[in-house]
Amino acid sequence: DGGITQSPKYLFRKEGQNVTLSCEQNLNHDAMYWYRQDPGQGLRLIYYSQIVNDFQKGDIAEGYSVSREKKESFPLTVTSAQKNPTAFYLCASSDTDSLPGNTIYFGEGSWLTVV
Amino acid sequence: GQNIDQPTEMTATEGAIVQINCTYQTSGFNGLFWYQQHAGEAPTFLSYNVLDGLEEKGRFSSFLSRSKGYSYLLLKELQMKDSASYLCAAPTDSWGKLQFGAGTQVVVTP
Repeated sequence: DGGITQSPKYLFRKEGQNVTLSCEQNLNHDAMYWYRQDPGQGLRLIYYSQIVNDFQKGDIAEGYSVSREKKESFPLTVTSAQKNPTAFYLCASSDTDSLPGNTIYFGEGSWLTVV
Repeated sequence: GQNIDQPTEMTATEGAIVQINCTYQTSGFNGLFWYQQHAGEAPTFLSYNVLDGLEEKGRFSSFLSRSKGYSYLLLKELQMKDSASYLCAAPTDSWGKLQFGAGTQVVVTP
């Protein structure tokens, strides 16, 4: 089945550690996105990529890094510089040739907790 | 940028109708989205309005007034499974970058 796969579903990070969240899509979408969601809040954009080997900062990029070496993959690294990383992270993708409303898909999300 | 406001929570009984309002302020307009999100799960797409008026999809309808910067999502014949957060979102440009409201938690009671 086509879709977006995020892993792991649950991840625990110790203070000072970097962790990487995986996001893979087989929808042949050009654009991919990472959002962060905190309890009782909407989603906030961390990074986005419109094409391979290119990505742009979103609203809350500090303490995060990404790469886009393949069209299918857009991993997110939460670095030790991110002081409050505990949140629900959502990866998404869209087909930039179509109306956004019809083609934005989300992965199942990853829960990151600092211990 | 975008400012998107929606109520925090609404409660309704099974079988009733609930209307979730969303107001937005934007320097450019590329449509307005509604998503449903159950706790701990990914948002799922409900509707996309780019022209004024009402669009109906089964029990769910979405309305847009561009001149008023206003949209609503109407949920009819409420079912227990409709208990979820409903997110209003607007693209910040012609791509899929979305600015989300904080979400409206709908609680359906028996």
